[in-house]
Amino acid sequence: EAEVAQSPRYKITEKSQAVAFWCDPISGHATLYWYRQILGQGPELLVQFQDESVVDDSQLPKDRFSAERLKGVDSTLKIQPAELGDSAMYLCASSSISNSPLHFGNGTRLTVT
Amino acid sequence: AQKVTQAQTEISVVEKEDVTLDCVYETRDTTYYLFWYKQPPSGELVFLIRRNSFDEQNEISGRYSWNFQKSTSSFNFTITASQVVDSAVYFCALRPEGGFSGNTPLVFGKGTRLSVIA
Repeated sequence: EAEVAQSPRYKITEKSQAVAFWCDPISGHATLYWYRQILGQGPELLVQFQDESVVDDSQLPKDRFSAERLKGVDSTLKIQPAELGDSAMYLCASSSISNSPLHFGNGTRLTVT
Repeated sequence: AQKVTQAQTEISVVEKEDVTLDCVYETRDTTYYLFWYKQPPSGELVFLIRRNSFDEQNEISGRYSWNFQKSTSSFNFTITASQVVDSAVYFCALRPEGGFSGNTPLVFGKGTRLSVIA
């Protein structure tokens, strides 16, 4: 079964440094989501793309976070500068037709020291 | 606004016991979808079931069953004869209908950590 690919699997960075995460959705999935999951909590949406366009980034801290999906396929999420409170699991998901289930990648676990 | 509440933070059961995970949701939408996901220690979220708001028929899949009651805004999940491999965090999620605006994101509860002890 096709999977959502994410890298890196783990990332440790010092605060004030820049960090980037990459996601490759399942082929043909037009909708891509980035979620953040703080330890002990449920995932929370950061940004949603429909093809290359941002549909919802209302919860994205735009002073330090940015996301792009230039060709409507893979996507990059960047944090600059990283803060201690950014330590979390960053999950990418994709879906095909309207209201189909989201398929999640394995996530990137970020630790900011 | 959409909200999902999973009141049980952690549950521990002995293997072969039945266990029910509760989920209560809030939405003003008349059409919506409910989901359950499993998150094992490895971290990935595994899709278990999707149910739309017009289908209140309960569903059974092997040892798993789901009870959707629109009158009480609940979508509970029962594991029968639990096994150690069922140990994971389970998330209930809500999604309003995308309609012409396309796919809409999931709103997750905080999850219930299930530990099945051998």
